[in-house]
Amino acid sequence: GENVEQHPSTLSVQEGDSAVIKCTYSDSASNYFPWYKQELGKGPQLIIDIRSNVGEKKDQRIAVTLNKTAKHFSLHITETQPEDSAVYFCAASPRDNFNKFYFGSGTKLNVKP
Amino acid sequence: NAGVTQTPKFRVLKTGQSMTLLCAQDMNHEYMYWYRQDPGMGLRLIHYSVGEGTTAKGEVPDGYNVSRLKKQNFLLGLESAAPSQTSVYFCASSYGQATNQPQHFGDGTRLSIL
Repeated sequence: GENVEQHPSTLSVQEGDSAVIKCTYSDSASNYFPWYKQELGKGPQLIIDIRSNVGEKKDQRIAVTLNKTAKHFSLHITETQPEDSAVYFCAASPRDNFNKFYFGSGTKLNVKP
Repeated sequence: NAGVTQTPKFRVLKTGQSMTLLCAQDMNHEYMYWYRQDPGMGLRLIHYSVGEGTTAKGEVPDGYNVSRLKKQNFLLGLESAAPSQTSVYFCASSYGQATNQPQHFGDGTRLSIL
């Protein structure tokens, strides 16, 4: 099955700086890559996703890039704010089993004011 | 618009006790899922359902049973709770289409087994 690795496990940045979280996947059949933000005591919330026919996607301060050849994808947050502090999860879903999501182990982002 | 609602939010059980976690969604989603979240391990799929009356095993199904009698509800049962089942349990749902669809999560049930 698919194996998703996520790095770093913790990330601390100063407010206004950029943050980058990276994930690798093993199954070349994976073609959908969502990112989730989980605040303390809450469930994961989808913040952005990308499909394998696209190399990059942006939504205001958040962007995701995908390198299919290298099997890795990254989340970029620019101009970070304290409210960006949370745990972020990446996931991969294969085209031949599209109801299955394989999650990374999470990155705890701390944005210092 | 409630989305995905999980009950209860917290529960403490003794080893050997049984309980049922309830998940309800109001988005008319075909697919529903149960995950457990443990520190440093992300989310692991326990069981899932692709429609009313159907269930299937996920990555870590042992010790759990599920039922989907109604499209909007997905129940997770622990017949004889063990300390290893102490975790945070999340329910999710998604549309069932020919392409991958995002999963929408509830806020979790925090379960402690003593």
